[in-house]
Amino acid sequence: GQSLEQPSEVTAVEGAIVQINCTYQTSGFYGLSWYQQHDGGAPTFLSYNALDGLEETGRFSSFLSRSDSYGYLLLQELQMKDSASYFCAVRDRRSGGYQKVTFGIGTKLQVIP
Amino acid sequence: DVKVTQSSRYLVKRTGEKVFLECVQDMDHENMFWYRQDPGLGLRLIYFSYDVKMKEKGDIPEGYSVSREKKERFSLILESASTNQTSMYLCASSSGRKSSGNTIYFGEGSWLTVV
Repeated sequence: GQSLEQPSEVTAVEGAIVQINCTYQTSGFYGLSWYQQHDGGAPTFLSYNALDGLEETGRFSSFLSRSDSYGYLLLQELQMKDSASYFCAVRDRRSGGYQKVTFGIGTKLQVIP
Repeated sequence: DVKVTQSSRYLVKRTGEKVFLECVQDMDHENMFWYRQDPGLGLRLIYFSYDVKMKEKGDIPEGYSVSREKKERFSLILESASTNQTSMYLCASSSGRKSSGNTIYFGEGSWLTVV
């Protein structure tokens, strides 16, 4: 089956940079996604990596190393509104051709002044 | 904008009741999912469906069933609700196309309390 590991909590200072790591175990790996969820809200998509390397979207970047089964989300110029939970999610391909997406437990990021 | 709509935001049900959670998406997505979210456990996949009338068990299907009679609608059924099914339930959908299926769109969630 699949398993993902990410830290449960991270605290960082406003304006700083924070990195949230995710390691995974799965067969038929297809890609790694990141989602953000504010308290009381629905998870929303941030980024997706299918190939090794860095993907940048504004202040957020996501990295993947398939050989290490490892990825991270990098948040730069942290703002108070970035306080939220961040989930990594593995998308894998099943024998029937369909895809299953499994989420990690989430990392609660607290940004402090 | 993609919209995933869950019929009930808050429900309180009694132990042993049959519970239906309804979900509708308006983007003609092939894939639909039901997750439950509990503190410290993240999002756990209950069931998913990649086509009408097709369903696959997720990681925690016990005590649940699903129905997908139409492409836009995916229902989660608790045959006999129990207190350990008190949780937030999230419905989601995604495109089945390789080029655009990377993004999962979530509904706002249904908070179910079983007493």
